[in-house]
Amino acid sequence: ETGVTQTPRHLVMGMTNKKSLKCEQHLGHNAMYWYKQSAKKPLELMFVYNFKEQTENNSVPSRFSPECPNSSHLFLHLHTLQPEDSALYLCASSQDLGDNSNQPQHFGDGTRLSIL
Amino acid sequence: SQKIEQNSEALNIQEGKTATLTCNYTNYSPAYLQWYRQDPGRGPVFLLLIRENEKEKRKERLKVTFDTTLKQSLFHITASQPADSATYLCALSMDSNYQLIWGAGTKLIIKP
Repeated sequence: ETGVTQTPRHLVMGMTNKKSLKCEQHLGHNAMYWYKQSAKKPLELMFVYNFKEQTENNSVPSRFSPECPNSSHLFLHLHTLQPEDSALYLCASSQDLGDNSNQPQHFGDGTRLSIL
Repeated sequence: SQKIEQNSEALNIQEGKTATLTCNYTNYSPAYLQWYRQDPGRGPVFLLLIRENEKEKRKERLKVTFDTTLKQSLFHITASQPADSATYLCALSMDSNYQLIWGAGTKLIIKP
């Protein structure tokens, strides 16, 4: 139990579908992150939220839309995805940002996404 | 260009020996370096953090070194066990920048 829960664990969808990934953290953290992990590649940071405000969007295509209703919940809305979007999507949290470049991040176990 | 390199090939070690993984970086001046463990089907789990002014950090059977001259961090597991088999990721960050820059990870296999 990492304190960060992601659902669903697996998702198969067609390119025209709309789906959402959910992340919930029980650690009392104020910063939350979405990462994409493809096989044998480094983690790619997608979005960052700090105290519910988006602070980073690393040139992510608009077919990925994040939502952070409060500091404990983070969503990633998916629409009209491409086959190359198939990957493991990881959610993480940390205490907050600020001068916290030395903060460890706590990860969920990810959603394995397959685009048909 | 800036990059972080970890051995892409799996590292096979006999149980009981010391496993050593490397993390090399170019064109960065990191203030911190972190190591994570990732098991198949799971998210990364934080292990250790080392600052640029620290040469070495230990936690139980784990030891991390940070050489800013060589631009390299070494991660050691002493008295290795099959349960230590996993992929190990390094990540660095600059001073006052929360973003972690990740290596692709090295798969470690400890054979009984």
